[in-house]
Amino acid sequence: QVHLQESGPGLVKPSETLSLTCTVSGGSISSYYWSWIRQPPGKGLEWIGYISNTGSTNYNPSLKSRVTISVDTPKNQFSLKLSSVTAADTAVYYCARRPLEQLVLDYWGQGTLVTVSS
Amino acid sequence: DIQMTQSPSTLSASVGDRVTITCRASQNIGSFLNWFQQKPGKAPKVLIYAASSLQSGVPSRFSGSGSGTDFTLAISSLQPEDFATYFCQQTDKTPWTFGQGTKVEVK
Repeated sequence: QVHLQESGPGLVKPSETLSLTCTVSGGSISSYYWSWIRQPPGKGLEWIGYISNTGSTNYNPSLKSRVTISVDTPKNQFSLKLSSVTAADTAVYYCARRPLEQLVLDYWGQGTLVTVSS
Repeated sequence: DIQMTQSPSTLSASVGDRVTITCRASQNIGSFLNWFQQKPGKAPKVLIYAASSLQSGVPSRFSGSGSGTDFTLAISSLQPEDFATYFCQQTDKTPWTFGQGTKVEVK
């Protein structure tokens, strides 16, 4: 069974870099696309971006200048870095999987709350 | 960006009711439309992909229809575990965008 688990600091100071890791178990990371999505408290979902099975990336233009998504295949992990954070970046961050043949996020992590505050 | 507009924002219903939620895209997205269910404190769960394909393991009381700009999620007979928030999402063009959500609550 596929399982995704986000990990990283729950509190980040303004202007610093948010860093999260998603550990994938139950399947190879090299055969899928991997996404990050976030949800501010009480609000809707925002797609942050994805990394493909070949390592190419696609980011939401609203965040593109601050976002980096990378993959560590031997560890079966992928990561999110979001620089120069502000309070507006406070959200639950989810990692999710997209199969190669379907444009759908079929497995999600449980999500992790990241609060930006001094 | 493609804007996704759901209606209604909140829907009050009873167990056994037939429920429909609509999602409208700001431009033609073909059939690149997915539906998710989210319960409080939980990750979204995909119900329908490609507008009308039922995700494996999802009960058959859920169905999706539509193409182009107008889409519908239907629940044929609402069950107690179906009280949740539902989101649509387009994957026709990046950035992928979501509807604002429809909360199905107890009448």
